[in-house]
Amino acid sequence: KAGVTQTPRYLIKTRGQQVTLSCSPISGHRSVSWYQQTPGQGLQFLFEYFSETQRNKGNFPGRFSGRQFSNSRSEMNVSTLELGDSALYLCASSLVSQGIGFFGPGTRLTVL
Amino acid sequence: AQTVTQSQPEMSVQEAETVTLSCTYDTSESDYYLFWYKQPPSRQMILVIRQEAYKQQNATENRFSVNFQKAAKSFSLKISDSQLGDAAMYFCAYRRPYNQGGKLIFGQGTELSVKP
Repeated sequence: KAGVTQTPRYLIKTRGQQVTLSCSPISGHRSVSWYQQTPGQGLQFLFEYFSETQRNKGNFPGRFSGRQFSNSRSEMNVSTLELGDSALYLCASSLVSQGIGFFGPGTRLTVL
Repeated sequence: AQTVTQSQPEMSVQEAETVTLSCTYDTSESDYYLFWYKQPPSRQMILVIRQEAYKQQNATENRFSVNFQKAAKSFSLKISDSQLGDAAMYFCAYRRPYNQGGKLIFGQGTELSVKP
C-alpha cells in the first residue's frame, strides 16, 4: 500500500497570505490528524478528522482550519499567515480499529 | 490533562551497544496507549513500538523493547545492538482510547547519536 502523501512538500509564503496543505491517507484509513512541529513548541496537535467530521481540535487560533473529503483526503488551511506559523506540518492517518498513526513526510512552511 | 516528559534532550551510544531512552507521563486514565516514534533527518515520523496500558507484558520489536511501569507512569525504550541507522530524534507519545479521539500527545524528544 502507498503511504501517507502530503503536498506540497515545501512552501514559502509571506505574512498575511493564506495557505492550503493537502494530505492523502493510506487507502482504507478514515482518520486523519494534523500536527505542527516547531523547534520551540515541539509537536502540537492541530485537529483530527474522521468520516468528514472534526473529532478533536487543538489549542490553535481560528486562522487554522481543516476539512476532510468523502475519499478521506484532508486539507488544512491557514489564513493571515504570521511568522510564527513557519513549521513542519505533519499529517497522520490511521485505521479506527488500530489507532496507530502513520505519518506523511510533512510540508515545510516558511513564512517571510 | 495528559502530559509526556522526556528528560534527556540528547543521548549518545556506541555502535553495537545498548541504550535506554526515558519517558514519563501523567494521566488519571487507566486505559491508554503509548508509542515511541523515530524521526530521522528526513523528518519522516516512523512508528518504532507501541504498548497498550492494559497489557502487563512489555512490547518488543526486534532490537527495540520497552520497560512499561504503569504505576510509576514510566515508559522507557531500550535499543539493543545499536546501529548507525538508529541515529534520529525519538519521541514518546500518549494516546487515549480511540473512541475518545486519536490525538497523540508527544514528549519533547530525545536526540540519539550513534558513534561508529
